[in-house]
Amino acid sequence: DVKVTQSSRYLVKRTGEKVFLECVQDMDHENMFWYRQDPGLGLRLIYFSYDVKMKEKGDIPEGYSVSREKKERFSLILESASTNQTSMYLCASRDSSQETQYFGPGTRLLVL
Amino acid sequence: QKEVEQNSGPLSVPEGAIASLNCTYSDRGSQSFFWYRQYSGKSPELIMFIYSNGDKEDGRFTAQLNKASQYVSLLIRDSQPSDSATYLCAVRYGGSQGNLIFGKGTKLSVKP
Repeated sequence: DVKVTQSSRYLVKRTGEKVFLECVQDMDHENMFWYRQDPGLGLRLIYFSYDVKMKEKGDIPEGYSVSREKKERFSLILESASTNQTSMYLCASRDSSQETQYFGPGTRLLVL
Repeated sequence: QKEVEQNSGPLSVPEGAIASLNCTYSDRGSQSFFWYRQYSGKSPELIMFIYSNGDKEDGRFTAQLNKASQYVSLLIRDSQPSDSATYLCAVRYGGSQGNLIFGKGTKLSVKP
C-alpha cells in the first residue's frame, strides 16, 4: 500500500513564526504536491514537484516555499506565518506513469 | 480560467436509494476525470477515474462521462449511511502530466 505521511496532524503557531510541514512518501513517486483546503474554497494547489530539486508554483504560492532534497520528502515552508494561513494542509504524491494521486492525512495548522 | 463546478449540497438520500452527484468542467481539452471521497476530518481518497465517454462501473459506483456536454457524474447505488461524506470531482488538464483541478465538493448524507 502507498503511504504518504505528514509530520504533524495538528499544529499551533504564532504570527511571524517560520513553519515547516514535512511530507514523506514510501513508493518512489516522482510527483509530489502541497494543497491547502478551506471551507467554501475547496482544495487549492500551492506548489508541486516532478523530481528531486525541482519545484513549480501552483495556484496560490504566495507566502510559501518548498524544498525537495530527496525524492521521498517534500517540505512546505511558511516563511512568516500569518493568520490567513490557518488551514488544512494536504500533501499528495503520484507515480508519473499512473493516474492515482494519494493524499497524506493532512496537517491542521492554526496561526494565532 | 479552468474551473470544475459542483453543487455544494447537502444532498440527502434515504438508505438504499441511488445517489447522483454531478460535476461540470470548463476546458474541452481535459483528459481524465476523478471522483474522490472525503470523510469529515480525513483526507481525500480516490473512488474511481474515467477517460472515455460513457459509463464505468466499480461495485456500487458508476462514473459517467459526457465530453460533449463537459459533464461527469457519479452514481452510488444502494446508498449506505457509511457513504455519507463529501465527494470531490477532479479534472486533469494539460495531458498526462497535468495537475488536477478540484471542485469544491458535494456533501452527501444518507439517512437510515
